[in-house]
Amino acid sequence: DTAVSQTPKYLVTQMGNDKSIKCEQNLGHDTMYWYKQDSKKFLKIMFSYNNKELIINETVPNRFSPKSPDKAHLNLHINSLELGDSAVYFCASSQDLTGGFSYTIYFGEGSWLTVV
Amino acid sequence: AQKVTQAQTEISVVEKEDVTLDCVYETRDTTYYLFWYKQPPSGELVFLIRRNSFDEQNEISGRYSWNFQKSTSSFNFTITASQVVDSAVYFCALSEWGYSTLTFGKGTMLLVSP
Repeated sequence: DTAVSQTPKYLVTQMGNDKSIKCEQNLGHDTMYWYKQDSKKFLKIMFSYNNKELIINETVPNRFSPKSPDKAHLNLHINSLELGDSAVYFCASSQDLTGGFSYTIYFGEGSWLTVV
Repeated sequence: AQKVTQAQTEISVVEKEDVTLDCVYETRDTTYYLFWYKQPPSGELVFLIRRNSFDEQNEISGRYSWNFQKSTSSFNFTITASQVVDSAVYFCALSEWGYSTLTFGKGTMLLVSP
């Protein structure tokens, strides 16, 4: 069983469209994330959710809206897609921080988004 | 603010050679965590190791070994007797005390040829 799974893996869409990427984890983790990997392979945090509550939003355009229906799911919805949104989006999860102690983050397989 | 530098953009070796991937980090915290991830050509991110700042012991796992030196703020990764399957992009990352998110370096692409 895949620990962190994302769908779709590949997505090609036109500028201006709205699209969603779904993520589910079966690790029992409390914290979930979205990271973006650009064309130069640079990885950067976008959002972090803990028990369905947003805790980090790294100055991501408000066209990106994460939604967490429960702590095992964190979906990413993108409105009015732009060419610059083309990237690989990784969902990830970890146990909650405990007294500041940071746990390992496990990543999904990535979703390749191409905006044409 | 924290920063992770992987100065080697790309390394090419021939199978069976040993190779070391460098990672230098910056943080104001005294407690932090360092990670290495592997991204093979298939694209997924695979966790390799996590160390906390209090544990400077080197670690060995099969052909992989890690050298953590606080004095030089480095967390280097060595692959012994490299294999073609080791070809991937390797990322070093840092998280600070009280933060669960990772700051990544730009990655080092390792190409191992037969």
